[in-house]
Amino acid sequence: DQQVKQNSPSLSVQEGRISILNCDYTNSMFDYFLWYKKYPAEGPTFLISISSIKDKNEDGRFTVFLNKSAKHLSLHIVPSQPGDSAVYFCAASDGTSYGKLTFGQGTILTVHP
Amino acid sequence: ETGVTQTPRHLVMGMTNKKSLKCEQHLGHNAMYWYKQSAKKPLELMFVYSLEERVENNSVPSRFSPECPNSSHLFLHLHTLQPEDSALYLCASSPRRSSRDTEAFFGQGTRLTVV
Repeated sequence: DQQVKQNSPSLSVQEGRISILNCDYTNSMFDYFLWYKKYPAEGPTFLISISSIKDKNEDGRFTVFLNKSAKHLSLHIVPSQPGDSAVYFCAASDGTSYGKLTFGQGTILTVHP
Repeated sequence: ETGVTQTPRHLVMGMTNKKSLKCEQHLGHNAMYWYKQSAKKPLELMFVYSLEERVENNSVPSRFSPECPNSSHLFLHLHTLQPEDSALYLCASSPRRSSRDTEAFFGQGTRLTVV
């Protein structure tokens, strides 16, 4: 039973346009959400996070939106750049002391010049 | 460079071999993790250590044996693995805090192939 789902395996976007990556979750105990970015042959790197007390968090070109009632979050990248091409993972935590994360399957983003 | 270093980067082992994966962090974090990423699957949490004590074993077979001698080092000892254990094994660390900010820092992973 997958508690965090990224239903789009891949996304292709033109440089300069907006990339929107989506994530759904089923566990209502999740209260902290993160996005990670992964290049081939590297480990995931933290990108941006949001607490359940907020519905939006922005950091430069990256914005994460949280809709708690729909159990849905999204990552917006604008403008998209070719260097953003990577696998993006959504992750969630239920606030335990140990930082245990539950990950989605990932979405491969390709930004075309 | 995230401050979490894993060795080796690649490992090929036979089913009767015994090998160990090593992870090292000098970020001052108190929690360390082993994750497994199989092809086309999400990252799966295997083990959690907090202050060198194993706090979670996520139903991992006994052929995987973790060891955390101190807060900076984490090992994963492997023995009598199966070909389906071939995967990317990722180590991560995070500050041990009781509230939010559960951001984990990952190493580059060890690509394991069992033949």
